[in-house]
Amino acid sequence: SQTIHQWPATLVQPVGSPLSLECTVEGTSNPNLYWYRQAAGRGLQLLFYSVGIGQISSEVPQNLSASRPQDRQFILSSKKLLLSDSGFYLCAWSVLPSGRVSYNEQFFGPGTRLTVL
Amino acid sequence: GENVEQHPSTLSVQEGDSAVIKCTYSDSASNYFPWYKQELGKRPQLIIDIRSNVGEKKDQRIAVTLNKTAKHFSLHITETQPEDSAVYFCAASRGSSASKIIFGSGTRLSIRP
Repeated sequence: SQTIHQWPATLVQPVGSPLSLECTVEGTSNPNLYWYRQAAGRGLQLLFYSVGIGQISSEVPQNLSASRPQDRQFILSSKKLLLSDSGFYLCAWSVLPSGRVSYNEQFFGPGTRLTVL
Repeated sequence: GENVEQHPSTLSVQEGDSAVIKCTYSDSASNYFPWYKQELGKRPQLIIDIRSNVGEKKDQRIAVTLNKTAKHFSLHITETQPEDSAVYFCAASRGSSASKIIFGSGTRLSIRP
């Protein structure tokens, strides 16, 4: 079965420091991968998505970037964090229709709670 | 692009009563409509979805309806229980491999004992 991992689970960083969050998926090949941010008590904001290695689409202009160095690895980075970058960062995956998996079912990782001070 | 609107933003119902959350979408090409439940501090979990080739789908106490003509879909929870308290998100997608899912803004459902 497929599983998705994110680390770290929680992170406290000072303003201006760099950021690297990692997401990996197991049990599937060539997944679509997504990064979302959720501010406290708010909805899901899509930040980036990727349909393949090295293919990144950015949804909002910001000081964050994403990379996909391997098929099942998705990394979210920043060179200098802002206070407004605080939030709950969720990675998600989906696959082409195959067996019992419907098209574009998205499954979320456990998330990283980031606090920028 | 697609826009999904969700109402109400908060909903409080008596335990045992029914809860209904409604969403509208703008992209007539959307054909996949999932619903997610997010408990406090946890990840969103897919609870039910519906495709455009059906008008209704039911799974125990939850059901979704879809009206493609009017471009709206709804989540119905019957016989609500305390564990139904959570934030619920609707979403819409074209369902292709390269498409995004557009989420509604969420509904915070509280079940009163």
